[in-house]
Amino acid sequence: SQQGEEDPQALSIQEGENATMNCSYKTSINNLQWYRQNSGRGLVHLILIRSNEREKHSGRLRVTLDTSKKSSSLLITASRAADTASYFCATDARGYSTLTFGKGTMLLVSP
Amino acid sequence: DAGVIQSPRHEVTEMGQEVTLRCKPISGHNSLFWYRQTMMRGLELLIYFNNNVPIDDSGMPEDRFSAKMPNASFSTLKIQPSEPRDSAVYFCASTLGGDEAFFGQGTRLTVV
Repeated sequence: SQQGEEDPQALSIQEGENATMNCSYKTSINNLQWYRQNSGRGLVHLILIRSNEREKHSGRLRVTLDTSKKSSSLLITASRAADTASYFCATDARGYSTLTFGKGTMLLVSP
Repeated sequence: DAGVIQSPRHEVTEMGQEVTLRCKPISGHNSLFWYRQTMMRGLELLIYFNNNVPIDDSGMPEDRFSAKMPNASFSTLKIQPSEPRDSAVYFCASTLGGDEAFFGQGTRLTVV
């Protein structure tokens, strides 16, 4: 079963706008990660936030984590057409250092 | 490093045939994962190896699927016999210490 569920399933914006994607999960975690997948390619790690952290930044990415609500958000600021991809959250809820992925958010950034 | 290397990139086979997917993890990584991705079910974890030992194979769909990791630099996922519902993209990923996972480019399997 899926541990993480992303919302929305699809998001369409214009270049320069911000994109926000949300992830909810069900059980306690050690960390939560976000990945990007371009069409026909493998997943690429974007950012990791640990359970004792509330916010993290990396370039144009900002991730928040609310363990009380079991939710996370990924904000991409000043989006570019090259940001068009699917974005997945992943959690390590199984406790074996495995990652369980949601079904992802498809982001389309139009020029 | 060349990253995680999977082969073949594409595989088309007839129902009932044996299929073997291959993965070379990043040198020095101690954990390896096999995932399957479909539109309907998303990314599913099939099996997880740590230090070449299978730790969690609860995601393996059925006995037709088997995975091995004979050494730290090689793993295989075998389907025998294959069925059309096995059609998917199969990913291999490796990690060191269980944090950031590095994915291969995947094998797109089509069973006709």
